[in-house]
Amino acid sequence: EVQLVESGGGLVQPGGSLRLSCAASGFTVSSNYMSWVRQAPGKGLEWVSVIYSGGSTDYADSVKGRFTISRDNSKNTLYLQMNSLRAEDTAVYYCARAHHPDYFDYWGQGTLVTVSS
Amino acid sequence: SYVLTQPPSVSVAPGKTARITCGGNNIGSKGVHWYQQKPGQAPVLVVYYDSDRPSGIPERFSGSNSGNTATLTISRVEAGDEADYYCQVWESSGDHWVFGGGTKLTVL
Repeated sequence: EVQLVESGGGLVQPGGSLRLSCAASGFTVSSNYMSWVRQAPGKGLEWVSVIYSGGSTDYADSVKGRFTISRDNSKNTLYLQMNSLRAEDTAVYYCARAHHPDYFDYWGQGTLVTVSS
Repeated sequence: SYVLTQPPSVSVAPGKTARITCGGNNIGSKGVHWYQQKPGQAPVLVVYYDSDRPSGIPERFSGSNSGNTATLTISRVEAGDEADYYCQVWESSGDHWVFGGGTKLTVL
């Protein structure tokens, strides 16, 4: 059974940093396209970042230069390092598996990141 | 960047048919995917590649895509279908996975 479990969310001050984790089971992270998608309170879904099976990465313009996506193949885990956080980064962050590449077929339950002083 | 436009809300009586639209420039040339999201839960894929259903999704959920509009159709609507629905396409440039703003389906 495919499972994605996020962790690492919490309250952080503007300008601060946070690292999110997404532990996967039932499939191999490194063989898939893995993404982070976020949802601000009461708002819609916004794609954030992707790491392709080959290891290359891409980011939404809104987070480029501040966020870094990575994976640990030995732990079958996806990460999102978030630096220089802003109030507008406040959201539930979901990790999701992309079906090469088109759509997201599996999602985690999400982890809430709150950026506030 | 590519923009997808959805109506903010759609209301339907139980047992009737709900249609949720997703507008985009020449969207008929793209593959459109639909997600259902209930309060406090993660999104769930209900239709992919315009009209295909993942296993476990009822046949009541169907989709179409032509011209500048894609449509998610929910037949014989049930109270449990009340949720937010998002359309999504993939773009080879820019923000690759583009979502519509979402439509709140209310079952009267």
